[in-house]
Amino acid sequence: KAGVTQTPRYLIKTRGQQVTLSCSPISGHRSVSWYQQTPGQGLQFLFEYFSETQRNKGNFPGRFSGRQFSNSRSEMNVSTLELGDSALYLCASSLLRSEDGELFFGEGSRLTVL
Amino acid sequence: GIQVEQSPPDLILQEGANSTLRCNFSDSVNNLQWFHQNPWGQLINLFYIPSGTKQNGRLSATTVATERYSLLYISSSQTTDSGVYFCAVEAWSGGSNYKLTFGKGTLLTVNP
Repeated sequence: KAGVTQTPRYLIKTRGQQVTLSCSPISGHRSVSWYQQTPGQGLQFLFEYFSETQRNKGNFPGRFSGRQFSNSRSEMNVSTLELGDSALYLCASSLLRSEDGELFFGEGSRLTVL
Repeated sequence: GIQVEQSPPDLILQEGANSTLRCNFSDSVNNLQWFHQNPWGQLINLFYIPSGTKQNGRLSATTVATERYSLLYISSSQTTDSGVYFCAVEAWSGGSNYKLTFGKGTLLTVNP
């Protein structure tokens, strides 16, 4: 059974650009949530999608957005990149809503903003 | 929001030693998970343990939800156990929403 797949694994962008990250959940999982990991702030919740609807959003500016498709795959987008957006972005999937069961994480997308 | 505190922040062991990692949380939670972050950044599931005790090989975990803490035990540690261990709790965040909140982690170094 394939795990959570995130693409791309590594990317380098410059300030002001935008980036789109992709997450394919475990087959049959309907919830996808996103997290940002930085050395200073640790792991922080970005947002969760369930059945194509955003259920919850963390304390991040509007430059951070996401969506979920009918096949449960999710994308997150960061516009007008800032140096502080450099981070490891992790995606997790769960069978039902995140509070109802175990979360499984992908390998992450490591973003560097120059 | 809920606070999650892990202790100790750093731990250095000799191979073969046992250790206990602790996770305290400030409010009721729906579930609790322990993860090991590998050198490439992936969070590897260790335990899904909202309450009770579970064991998996040399690792075991106990969560006492009424007292708002969880413990991760590592016995006969190996160098491959090195890395960061995270506790994460899923808790109500308002309305009908829940979110996963992580502790800051315990950095474990196991020396040969």
